[in-house]
Amino acid sequence: GAVVSQHPSRVICKSGTSVKIECRSLDFQATTMFWYRQFPKKSLMLMATSNEGSKATYEQGVEKDKFLINHASLTLSTLTVTSAHPEDSSFYICSALPGLAGTGELFFGEGSRLTVL
Amino acid sequence: EDQVTQSPEALRLQEGESSSLNCSYTVSGLRGLFWYRQDPGKGPEFLFTLYSAGEEKEKERLKATLTKKESFLHITAPKPEDSATYLCAVGMKTSYDKVIFGPGTSLSVIP
Repeated sequence: GAVVSQHPSRVICKSGTSVKIECRSLDFQATTMFWYRQFPKKSLMLMATSNEGSKATYEQGVEKDKFLINHASLTLSTLTVTSAHPEDSSFYICSALPGLAGTGELFFGEGSRLTVL
Repeated sequence: EDQVTQSPEALRLQEGESSSLNCSYTVSGLRGLFWYRQDPGKGPEFLFTLYSAGEEKEKERLKATLTKKESFLHITAPKPEDSATYLCAVGMKTSYDKVIFGPGTSLSVIP
């Protein structure tokens, strides 16, 4: 099956710093990538949808200036948590949607656990 | 409103005790229904795609079925390693990149 790699898997940072998380589709081109946040024992919460070469579409209530998303190529999207605070601590997951030639399934990265001290 | 629900929220089974998880959906046009398995601290792992009512797919102890309004994930003689959260998602015909997830069913299989 299609492989999506997410890095880093765990990151600890100090309050006020910025953290970048990468999401790569390793064996396919992803026209669309998604970023989710997941709280303990809760389902996925969609944060934003990013299409290669265009601005991300953010879900209601997600701060665009706090969570910067860049989809620079068909295989890479990045999420930058700017000026992180303890309340930003969470599990962040990306997924990728192969192009229209695919069958419509999303493929997920392994997730990134962010802890802000 | 497009919506995906799952039941039960949580399920505890004895090892070998077969059961089914339900995913009900209300969408304007179904492109495909997807099942995923998620282990704690991991990203969801793709299991199945179903496209039309009457379709069935199997993988080891899991079998997924689809009707016009719901999907079932049948687990036959489960083992402790089947313990995970099972997520159902629906892809929309109206928008290729729109996928709606259900809240998931947390399955625990007790030895």
